[in-house]
Amino acid sequence: DVKVTQSSRYLVKRTGEKVFLECVQDMDHENMFWYRQDPGLGLRLIYFSYDVKMKEKGDIPEGYSVSREKKERFSLILESASTNQTSMYLCASSPSGRASDTQYFGPGTRLTVL
Amino acid sequence: GENVEQHPSTLSVQEGDSAVIKCTYSDSASNYFPWYKQELGKRPQLIIDIRSNVGEKKDQRIAVTLNKTAKHFSLHITETQPEDSAVYFCAASRNQAGTALIFGKGTTLSVSS
Repeated sequence: DVKVTQSSRYLVKRTGEKVFLECVQDMDHENMFWYRQDPGLGLRLIYFSYDVKMKEKGDIPEGYSVSREKKERFSLILESASTNQTSMYLCASSPSGRASDTQYFGPGTRLTVL
Repeated sequence: GENVEQHPSTLSVQEGDSAVIKCTYSDSASNYFPWYKQELGKRPQLIIDIRSNVGEKKDQRIAVTLNKTAKHFSLHITETQPEDSAVYFCAASRNQAGTALIFGKGTTLSVSS
């Protein structure tokens, strides 16, 4: 059974803070993704990674960066958090480099920036 | 740019009725179309998918149809039950590294008994 975990379910940060969101998968998946979920806007892709140390921008990468030093771990970094980054953040992983692979989602991190 | 439009944004049905959610995609190179279901407070999970070489696929009470010419695909749920209440997302494969999806904005389905 695929397990995707995220470091926090809820997080409260101050404007300007550097924020790290961690995602870990235990199934040796090649691909990992970070999405942002906002009401009425669906799932928007921030960044994805198809291999260790490889990354690609998604639709809304501004204000975010990512790190993938190990295959099982994909981190989302908010260099200087702003109130408009208050959102639900979902991580996902998939086995290989095919879009037709099932994406397995983590439980989400609800981030509030004050 | 690539886009997936999903309608309606909310849908309320009585238990036992059918529900239909429609999506339109913009990139003619898209060839894979999954549907994810997200129950309240839970993570999205794949419920059914269809590839571009197939026109229809069924799995018990759910079915998906694809019209490549018109670039739209639909989710059909028959004999709805309260446990079908959730947010449903359609998605289409991107013409970018072949590995990512673009999601629709979601449809909140409410099934009342």
